[in-house]
Amino acid sequence: VIWMTQSPSLLSASTGDRVTISCRMSQGISSYLAWYQQKPGKAPELLIYAASTLQSGVPSRFSGSGSGTDFTLTISCLQSEDFATYYCQQYYSFPWTFGQGTKVEIK
Amino acid sequence: QVQLVESGGGLVKPGGSLRLSCAASGFTFSDYYMSWIRQAPGKGLEWVSYISSSGSTIYYADSVKGRFTISRDNAKNSLYLQMNSLRAEDTAVYYCARVGMVRGVLGYMDVWGKGTTVTVSS
Repeated sequence: VIWMTQSPSLLSASTGDRVTISCRMSQGISSYLAWYQQKPGKAPELLIYAASTLQSGVPSRFSGSGSGTDFTLTISCLQSEDFATYYCQQYYSFPWTFGQGTKVEIK
Repeated sequence: QVQLVESGGGLVKPGGSLRLSCAASGFTFSDYYMSWIRQAPGKGLEWVSYISSSGSTIYYADSVKGRFTISRDNAKNSLYLQMNSLRAEDTAVYYCARVGMVRGVLGYMDVWGKGTTVTVSS
């Protein structure tokens, strides 16, 4: 099993801030990593796959980087609609696993 | 438009069974691998199961192996999850999701349903 450590678990920020969320793997996964956004009561939505490829329709203020064991999701200029919980997910090997989540709240 | 709609959730007693369904539309269902993911109340996401486009390759999380069975009917554009020997810890919102693939590598979930709630309680 590949274990994932996502940090921070809670991030307080203001509109316009640049925020970064980290996801660290217990072993290398090349670039087989996705990021999702989930708002309360809603299903998750795919933001990024293959560590850095933006899903169609996702605003360019979202970006992903990293490979191997360390990955980062960056929101360059936080908007009001970005306050949500974010999850990373590895698909390098089964069982697919998710990070514990990062809640981005209004400061 | 591309859509996944889950159904079949509800309240069931421990040890009971439930069958979830997921109806797909707006894309060629038989071309895609599919997956089930769940989320316990107030908790994070947990991958549950995966099935290849033909149904010939299946994987399960250890937490459900031997109790849950994933299947699909490509003629009906439908995905299923048969859940037996249910436990309180299976209480969750269950999402079906389409598995995306790029350059032959698949594993991210690019389309999600709204979910169906399963509650296991006496």
